[in-house]
Amino acid sequence: NAGVTQTPKFQVLKTGQSMTLQCAQDMNHNSMYWYRQDPGMGLRLIYYSASEGTTDKGEVPNGYNVSRLNKREFSLRLESAAPSQTSVYFCASIGSSGSPLHFGNGTRLTVT
Amino acid sequence: GEDVEQSLFLSVREGDSSVINCTYTDSSSTYLYWYKQEPGAGLQLLTYIFSNMDMKQDQRLTVLLNKKDKHLSLRIADTQTGDSAIYFCAETQDTGRRALTFGSGTRLQVQP
Repeated sequence: NAGVTQTPKFQVLKTGQSMTLQCAQDMNHNSMYWYRQDPGMGLRLIYYSASEGTTDKGEVPNGYNVSRLNKREFSLRLESAAPSQTSVYFCASIGSSGSPLHFGNGTRLTVT
Repeated sequence: GEDVEQSLFLSVREGDSSVINCTYTDSSSTYLYWYKQEPGAGLQLLTYIFSNMDMKQDQRLTVLLNKKDKHLSLRIADTQTGDSAIYFCAETQDTGRRALTFGSGTRLQVQP
């Protein structure tokens, strides 16, 4: 049981380049989330998907788009990367009410 | 809006008890969580408590919740060097997007 799998683990982009961060979970969870983690700021919610076919903005959505491809997969796209998007990105999913958030191991992104 | 606050740093000696504190503002928080993050890794759920509980104990971990003061604490008994990590407090409601709101994390340093 792999849980939440994120790819890639590391990525370096130049300003203006685009990329997609992939996330998949095998726990049959309905809700999935993308967070970014910056030093001293904890984790901030970028986008979430309460169920297949729905997506909603979190606290810091600007510069990002998401796709809930199916129940398993939730991708995060940076259309034109900026240095301010240098961060560690975590995907997470949650199952039934009261159960904890399960996290992937993160993608460390550097934008130069 | 929701806000979760933690002190940034705590240093203890090996064998002592550690107490990490957290305050939150959302009185409708339903679940409160403690996550541990080791360097370069994702977030690992340590324990969580439902808002109608005052205390939860799990081996060396004790969680205390003062709902009136909106104060949550994590006590680690007999702290070991392997406990050195960043500890995140998080809260969520059981409705709506169910995303967790995180504190900025407390870095626990355990000195031998």
